[in-house]
Amino acid sequence: GAVVSQHPSRVICKSGTSVKIECRSLDFQATTMFWYRQFPKKSLMLMATSNEGSKATYEQGVEKDKFLINHASLTLSTLTVTSAHPEDSSFYICSARGPSGAGELFFGEGSRLTVL
Amino acid sequence: AQSVTQPDIHITVSEGASLELRCNYSYGATPYLFWYVQSPGQGLQLLLKYFSGDTLVQGIKGFEAEFKRSQSSFNLRKPSVHWSDAAEYFCAVVNFGNEKLTFGTGTRLTIIP
Repeated sequence: GAVVSQHPSRVICKSGTSVKIECRSLDFQATTMFWYRQFPKKSLMLMATSNEGSKATYEQGVEKDKFLINHASLTLSTLTVTSAHPEDSSFYICSARGPSGAGELFFGEGSRLTVL
Repeated sequence: AQSVTQPDIHITVSEGASLELRCNYSYGATPYLFWYVQSPGQGLQLLLKYFSGDTLVQGIKGFEAEFKRSQSSFNLRKPSVHWSDAAEYFCAVVNFGNEKLTFGTGTRLTIIP
């Protein structure tokens, strides 16, 4: 099946610094990827839709200047949390539409961000 | 707007017992429905999906789900749970227009010996 990989799986950073999380589709091309945020014991909240070669589409309430998304190639999307604060600490998960389309999404392993 | 409701936040089942996790959806047309499982600190793994056709769908790890349009439900079942099934389970529906997935709030499954 289609494989999506995220890196890093865990990252700890100081408040005020920026952190980049990568999402790669390993065995297929993904023109569209999605970034989710998951709070403890909560469901997944869609943050933005990442489109290869164009600007990301952000959900209402998500700060696009804080969460920078770049989909530079058909296999890579990156999420950069800029000027991170402790409240940005969360589990971030990416997903990509599978090669067969039809609404099926494949998820990365997730990235745990802790901001001190 | 589409929505998914998982009424049970936490379910505890004895190993070997049967399991049913509830999911109700709200969507204007015929939905595409999914069940995902998430182990602690991990991403999501697709258990099964319903697109059309047979309303009883089989998935991985011995799970199945039944789509009932009259009840707007897509409940997940397993006849005999294993300790390794302990995890968080999410039901989801996809919006055809933008392929965005809407998740339920999840059901945490605990297995007791």
